Amino acid sequence: AQKVTQAQTEISVVEKEDVTLDCVYETRDTTYYLFWYKQPPSGELVFLIRRNSFDEQNEISGRYSWNFQKSTSSFNFTITASQVVDSAVYFCALSEANWDTGRRALTFGSGTRLQVQP
Amino acid sequence: KAGVTQTPRYLIKTRGQQVTLSCSPISGHRSVSWYQQTPGQGLQFLFEYFSETQRNKGNFPGRFSGRQFSNSRSEMNVSTLELGDSALYLCASSLEQMTRTDTQYFGPGTRLTVL
Repeated sequence: AQKVTQAQTEISVVEKEDVTLDCVYETRDTTYYLFWYKQPPSGELVFLIRRNSFDEQNEISGRYSWNFQKSTSSFNFTITASQVVDSAVYFCALSEANWDTGRRALTFGSGTRLQVQP
Repeated sequence: KAGVTQTPRYLIKTRGQQVTLSCSPISGHRSVSWYQQTPGQGLQFLFEYFSETQRNKGNFPGRFSGRQFSNSRSEMNVSTLELGDSALYLCASSLEQMTRTDTQYFGPGTRLTVL
C-alpha cells in the first residue's frame, strides 16, 4: 500500500524567509509519480510539479525548488524568499503507474499549512 | 483553455436526501476522477472514469456512485446522505487514463453540507 507522510502540520514564517516542506513516501512500486499541489483558501488544488521515479534531478521554478531523493524516499519542496501569497495548504501526493491494471489514483499526504506573515 | 468546472459550488442537504454533483473536464481531457476532502480523513480517492466506464474505485460505500457521459462530463451521486458526508468534493481531469506522463488538474470543488 502507498503512504505519504507530511509531518509538518503547520509552518509559520515571516515574508522573505526560506521555507522547506517535507514529504516522505512509501511504495513497493518501482515506477511511480510524485506531485505537489497547492490549495489556497478558495479550495482548488493547483498543480505545481510532477516527478517520476526515474528522474532524481532537482528542479527549480522561480522561487520554488524540489529535492527528490529516492534513497530516503523523500520529495521536499522549498520556497525561497516566501511571500504572503504563498500562504496555502500544500499537499504531496503519490501516484503509481501500472499499465496492466490501469489503476491510477493519487494518494495524498495530510498537507502542510503554510502561513507567511508580512 | 478553460479549467475544470464543478457545479454547484455549494450545497446544503439534510440527512437521508440524495445529491448529484457535476464536473466538466478540461476540453480534450477524457479521464475524470473524484476525491473527497474532509478535515478528519484528508483527501481520499472516490473513483475514476474513462470512456464512460469506471476504471478505478476507492474505499467508499455503495451510496457513492458516478457516471461519465460521452462528452467526458461526469456526475457523482450520493444517496441517503449522512452527516459524515459533509465535505469538499473535488473533481480532477487528465488527458488519458494510462499514459505515464499524465497529470490530474483539479476543479474548485463542491462544498456539501449535510444537516
